[in-house]
Amino acid sequence: GEDVEQSLFLSVREGDSSVINCTYTDSSSTYLYWYKQEPGAGLQLLTYIFSNMDMKQDQRLTVLLNKKDKHLSLRIADTQTGDSAIYFCAEAGLIWGAGTKLIIKP
Amino acid sequence: DAGVIQSPRHEVTEMGQEVTLRCKPISGHNSLFWYRQTMMRGLELLIYFNNNVPIDDSGMPEDRFSAKMPNASFSTLKIQPSEPRDSAVYFCASSLGRVGHGYTFGSGTRLTVV
Repeated sequence: GEDVEQSLFLSVREGDSSVINCTYTDSSSTYLYWYKQEPGAGLQLLTYIFSNMDMKQDQRLTVLLNKKDKHLSLRIADTQTGDSAIYFCAEAGLIWGAGTKLIIKP
Repeated sequence: DAGVIQSPRHEVTEMGQEVTLRCKPISGHNSLFWYRQTMMRGLELLIYFNNNVPIDDSGMPEDRFSAKMPNASFSTLKIQPSEPRDSAVYFCASSLGRVGHGYTFGSGTRLTVV
């Protein structure tokens, strides 16, 4: 069946780059999304990528899509304490990874 | 725009009681989604509506769960009877329903069943 998988935790030092990975199974996905959930808050859309793109950059965020391997990643450059959150990837909003908790070490 | 509004923010209830969670989507959005988030299972889609019609309720865990959308501006998720394992944060989200349009989430309702 359709599924999206993410690592549950990622720990990085402040100032380093964070790379959050996601694998999916539905090859028909037209759009893939990244959402951010801060402690005690709802989810907010961070960015999305069309399936016909390989890369999308938006300020400190870089999304890479490898359609062959069905692999999606989110890179956060110069990670800050404010980036501490859970990051979810999703296909068309209907299938969700379990979320990756990003932990920032000083 | 006030965003997606959920109520209550917190609900504590005793096992066996009926619980009703409420959601007001963003005006003009024609798709509405109910999600449940727990530590063990992460974020799960329970049900979604398009133009007030339930499209897919395969994520609803049991018959104790029911959802309605009587009009475009209001939806409820009801649990009757509630059980301790229903304790979770329940999110409502709405969308314009067009492919590629992101969803806007409410702040969630934290439900604790004791």
